[in-house]
This record gives sequence, structure tokens and C-alpha cells, in this order.
Amino acid sequence: EIVLTQSPATLSVSPGEGATLSCRASQNIRTTLAWFQQKPGQAPRLLIYDSSTRAAGTPARFRGSGSGTEFTLSISSLQSEDFAVYYCQQVSEWPLTFGGGTKVEI
Amino acid sequence: EVQLLQSGGGSAQPGGSLRLSCAASGFVFRRYVMSWVRQAPGKGLEWVSLVGDDGGFTRYADSVRGRFIISRDNSRNTLYLHMSGLRAEDTAVYYCTKDLRGSPPHYFDSWGHGSLVTVSS
Repeated sequence: EIVLTQSPATLSVSPGEGATLSCRASQNIRTTLAWFQQKPGQAPRLLIYDSSTRAAGTPARFRGSGSGTEFTLSISSLQSEDFAVYYCQQVSEWPLTFGGGTKVEI
Repeated sequence: EVQLLQSGGGSAQPGGSLRLSCAASGFVFRRYVMSWVRQAPGKGLEWVSLVGDDGGFTRYADSVRGRFIISRDNSRNTLYLHMSGLRAEDTAVYYCTKDLRGSPPHYFDSWGHGSLVTVSS
């Protein structure tokens, strides 16, 4: 099973600042990685797929990058609606697996 | 607009059974792979199962294989998850999801609102 390790577990930032979230895979997954945003009481929302492609409706301030085993989600100029938990997911091999999440808080 | 309307769920005793349903609309259901993902209270996301567009291809997480069965009825645009042999650790909110594209890789671009399953004696 491919293990995804997200860091940090919690990230404290101020509105208007940038944030960088990391996701490390236990083996090479090429670019088959997605990022999701989840707010309390809501279903997750797909932000990024194929490591760097923004899903429909994802603001340009969200940028995904990386390949192989190291991936990054960058958020420039955080807005109030961006404070949430972010998960990465690999879709390279079965079973499909998620990282443990990074909580972005004020 | 894609809509995934979930029903079912609730409470069950250990060893019991439940069935979840997910009624799809706003897209051509029979063309898309569908999945179930769950989230235990206060925990992260766990992929549970996936079914191919015609129902002939299925995959399961090790944690549910042999106890859960995923199925779909393309004539009713509905996805199912039959859960049996339930355990306390199956307690979670279960989400149905739709694939982004009609072919792999399996990115989940639409999610249902979630169904809470509680397993307790």
C-alpha cells in the first residue's frame, strides 16, 4: 500500500499570507495525485488533479506541483474561505489512499 | 448540475447489515466509475470501494473486502453499498463519489452529502 505523509499536520497562517502544504508518497506515483479541501460538516471538494491541474472552479491562487514522491500544494494570499483541512490522494495503485490531512487555521 | 443524493445508513449492531444508496443525476451515470469513501468521526478519509461503469469491475479496501459489496443499477442511476458483518470500526460518514473522467485514473470530482453509519451494541 502506498502511504502518503502530509506535513505539517497543522499550519497557522494569517489572511493574506501564503501557505505551502507537503505530501510525500512512499513510492513513485508519477503525477497521479489529487488534492481535496474539506470544511467542517461538508464533503471534500476536488481542488487539483494530475498533481497540477486545477479542477473546475478552483481559484488560481491554488497551485499544485510535484512528481514521483514529493508534492506540494501552494496557496497564495489566503482568503477566509481557504481555512480548512486539505488532503492529498494517490490514484496510481490499489488501494487508493489518502494522506492524513493538513489543517490550515488562522 | 451533478447531484448525488444519498440515503440509507443509520445504526446497526456489531455483526449486522445496512445498505447505502446514492441516486445520481445531472450526468450520464452509466459512463462513469463510482466509488465509496468513508470518514470516521474526527478522522481522515479512507477509500472503501469502486465499481466500473457497467458494474463488472470492482475493487475493495482490505478493511472491507469480504464484508461489503458495491453494486450499481444503471437503469435507476443508483449506486449501492451493501454492508454486512459490521464492526465498530466501520462507524463513519460514507460518501459516494463520481469519477472526474470516464476512464482512469480515478479522481473523485463530485461527492454526495454523506451518510452516517453507526455500529454499536
